[in-house]
Amino acid sequence: DGGITQSPKYLFRKEGQNVTLSCEQNLNHDAMYWYRQDPGQGLRLIYYSQIVNDFQKGDIAEGYSVSREKKESFPLTVTSAQKNPTAFYLCASSIQAGRDAPDTQYFGPGTRLTVL
Amino acid sequence: QQQVKQSPQSLIVQKGGISIINCAYENTAFDYFPWYQQFPGKGPALLIAIRPDVSEKKEGRFTISFNKSAKQFSLHIMDSQPGDSATYFCAASERAGNNRKLIWGLGTSLAVNP
Repeated sequence: DGGITQSPKYLFRKEGQNVTLSCEQNLNHDAMYWYRQDPGQGLRLIYYSQIVNDFQKGDIAEGYSVSREKKESFPLTVTSAQKNPTAFYLCASSIQAGRDAPDTQYFGPGTRLTVL
Repeated sequence: QQQVKQSPQSLIVQKGGISIINCAYENTAFDYFPWYQQFPGKGPALLIAIRPDVSEKKEGRFTISFNKSAKQFSLHIMDSQPGDSATYFCAASERAGNNRKLIWGLGTSLAVNP
C-alpha cells in the first residue's frame, strides 16, 4: 500500500519549544516538499528536496529546518524562531521526471500543529 | 504578488448546479495547469490537469477550459453533488532548472447544498 504518511495527526507544543514533524513516503519519489496551510492563504512552500542530502528553501523557510538523509524521509523541524507556527502542515512528494514532464505532487494527510 | 490568481474565494451551489472556478496567470512560461481537490482535514489530491495546447479537457463531471490568449483557465463541475464540497486549488507549473516548479492559487471553498 504505497503512499505518504505524516505523524502525528495533531501536535501541541508550548511556546519556545522546537518540534519535529515526520514525513515518510514509499512511492520511491525523488522529490519531497513541505507546505504550510493557513485559512485563506493557500499552500505556501517551506522547503523542498529534489535528491537525498540536498534541499532548498521555499517561500517561507524562516523558523524551519529540514533534513533529507534518506530518500523516503523528509522531517520538518519547527523551531522556536518561527513566530506564528500554529498551522496545518502538509508533506508531498513527486517523481521529478525531468523539466519536460508534468509533475504530480502526492500529499500526505497533514499534521495540525497548535502552539499553546 | 500572487502569480496565479484564483476566484472566487468561496462558492455555494445547489445540488445539480454548475460550479465554476476561475484562475488567471501572467507568466507565459507556465506550461501545465493542474487542479487539486482537498477535503477537510486531508491533503490535496490531483483532480484534473491540462496543457496549453488544448482548449478543453473533460473527465466525467469535471472540465477544464483553457484560454491561452487571455491567460485564464477555469474548472467547471457539472451536476454538482454534496460530495463535491471541498477546497479546490488551481496551479501552474513551469520549468525550473532541471525540474519543475508548481505555483498555487489561494483556493476556492465550494459548498454544494443538498
